[in-house]
Amino acid sequence: EVQLVESGGGLVQPGGSLRLSCAASGFTFSSYEMNWVRQAPGKGLEWVSYISSSGSTIYYADSVKGRFTISRDNAKNSLYLQMNSLRAEDTAVYYCARAPRGRLRYFDSWGQGTLVTVSS
Amino acid sequence: EIVLTQSPGTLSLSPGERATLSCRASQSVSSSYLAWYQQKPGQAPRLLIYGASSRATGIPDRFSGSGSGTDFTLTISRLEPEDFAVYYCQQYGSSPPMYSFGQGTKLEIK
Repeated sequence: EVQLVESGGGLVQPGGSLRLSCAASGFTFSSYEMNWVRQAPGKGLEWVSYISSSGSTIYYADSVKGRFTISRDNAKNSLYLQMNSLRAEDTAVYYCARAPRGRLRYFDSWGQGTLVTVSS
Repeated sequence: EIVLTQSPGTLSLSPGERATLSCRASQSVSSSYLAWYQQKPGQAPRLLIYGASSRATGIPDRFSGSGSGTDFTLTISRLEPEDFAVYYCQQYGSSPPMYSFGQGTKLEIK
């Protein structure tokens, strides 16, 4: 069974940092592209970042570019999101989402999410 | 940057009725890059449709996707009680490379 389990969320002050993790199991992690998607309280979904299966290609949403860093460790079946210079508008549930390699572009499995609250 | 606009914002229907949800793109989107998700309160999104019209594994055949270019549709042929949720369309654009979601359609029980 495919499992994605996020951790690392919590309360942080504006300007602070947080590192999210996503532990993957039940599939060959190194064969899949991975993403972070967030959802502010009561709002819709917002894509945050993408990383290719090897980690060689990375994309960011403009809203987090220069502040967030996505990475992965295929040996540990883990995905990470380093979040710096956090703002109140970064408050959201953060999901990791798996994307199959290939021509089609979609997220076929999601974790349950971890809540990040940026507040003083 | 491609913007997805979903309509209606809220759809009120009864079980057994047919639901038609629209997703309109500001520029043409490859059908390969269009997907639909369902999200229930307190849960993660679930993939329903990918490639505009292919059902994901385990999705009942009452769910269908169609469309091309700038206009895409998710149809639920006969609503079951468990179908009342929020639905999002999603696209991938290659220039610049990024994903984006529509703002969602809330399907509620009438």
